[in-house]
Formats: sequence, C-alpha cells, structure tokens
Amino acid sequence: KAGVTQTPRYLIKTRGQQVTLSCSPISGHRSVSWYQQTPGQGLQFLFEYFSETQRNKGNFPGRFSGRQFSNSRSEMNVSTLELGDSALYLCASSLEGQAEAFFGQGTRLTVV
Amino acid sequence: GEDVEQSLFLSVREGDSSVINCTYTDSSSTYLYWYKQEPGAGLQLLTYIFSNMDMKQDQRLTVLLNKKDKHLSLRIADTQTGDSAIYFCAESPMNTGFQKLVFGTGTRLLVSP
Repeated sequence: KAGVTQTPRYLIKTRGQQVTLSCSPISGHRSVSWYQQTPGQGLQFLFEYFSETQRNKGNFPGRFSGRQFSNSRSEMNVSTLELGDSALYLCASSLEGQAEAFFGQGTRLTVV
Repeated sequence: GEDVEQSLFLSVREGDSSVINCTYTDSSSTYLYWYKQEPGAGLQLLTYIFSNMDMKQDQRLTVLLNKKDKHLSLRIADTQTGDSAIYFCAESPMNTGFQKLVFGTGTRLLVSP
C-alpha cells in the first residue's frame, strides 16, 4: 500500500513568487492536513481538508491557502513568498474517525 | 491553551533504555502521540495513547501517561544506533478532530555504540 506522496521533494523560489505543493494521500484516506516545519517555530499546523472542504485552520496569513480535489489529493499554495517561508512542508493523511495520521516525506521549500 | 514541551537532547549508549519526556497543557486532549523523524525525512508514527489510558506497550516501546501532571513519556528498551533521530510528542486537542496536532519541540536522541 503506497504511503503519502508529496511532490516536489525540493523547490527553490525567489522572494515574491508563488508556489504550489502537492500531496496524494494514502488510498482511502479523505482527510489531509498540512504542517510547516522550521528550526525556529518547529512544527505548526496550517490547515486540514476533508471531502474538499477546509475543516480546520491554523494561525497563518492569508498568503497560505489550500484545496482538496474529489480524489482527495490536496494542494497548498503560498503567494508572495517571503524568506521566512523557507521550511519543510509536511502533509499527513488519515481515515475519518481514526486517530493515526500518516505523514509524507515533505517538500523542502527554499526562498532566496 | 495548547503547549507541548520536551527536553532538547538525550544521549544514551547502545543497549541501554531511553526515556523521552513530554509535558502538555491541554487537559482536553483526546490522543497523545509519539513521532520519529530521521534526517531529511518526514514523520513516522511510532505509537499513540488514548487519554483515558495510563500505559501502552508496543514491542520495545512503552508509553506512560500521567494525566494529573499532564506528563507523557516514551521508553525505548534496548536502544539501537538506528533509533538515533528526533522524537516529537504531539496532542490532538478536543473538538478539532484527530488531524490538528500540536507538536512539541522535539528531543534529539543520540545513541552511541
């Protein structure tokens, strides 16, 4: 059974640009969550999608957005990139009502 | 509020037991988790415990939960060099489902031969 797949694994962008990251959950999982990991702030929750609807949201500015498609794949977008957006972005998927959340390998975004 | 704290570093010798500690503040949390992160990798779910349990054992891993003190620990028996990694505890606050996890700062475990 394939795990959570995130693409791309690495990304370098210039300040001011925008970026889209993709996450394919484990087959059958309809909940997808996104997290940002930085050395300074640690792991922080961005948002969660279930059945194409945002169900939970963390404390991030509106430049961070996401969406989920009917096949449960999710994308997150960051507009007007800032140097501080450089981070490892992790996606997790889970079955509805189940406590386990399984993470992908992450996308490492570097903003220069 | 939600806040999870861990010590930053633990060093043990191969074959010893490791105990990683965590304190949390949200008494309404439904589940508490331990994740492992190796360099350049994502998070691997090791184990989790429901908030009404005191202990859970899974092979070399033992989780202890003290609800009164809001203290969670992970014991790794017979620690191996392959256990060297960063270990995160996390809680899932009530009413947010299981998908909004609040993570601790992580404990870096170094296992020496």
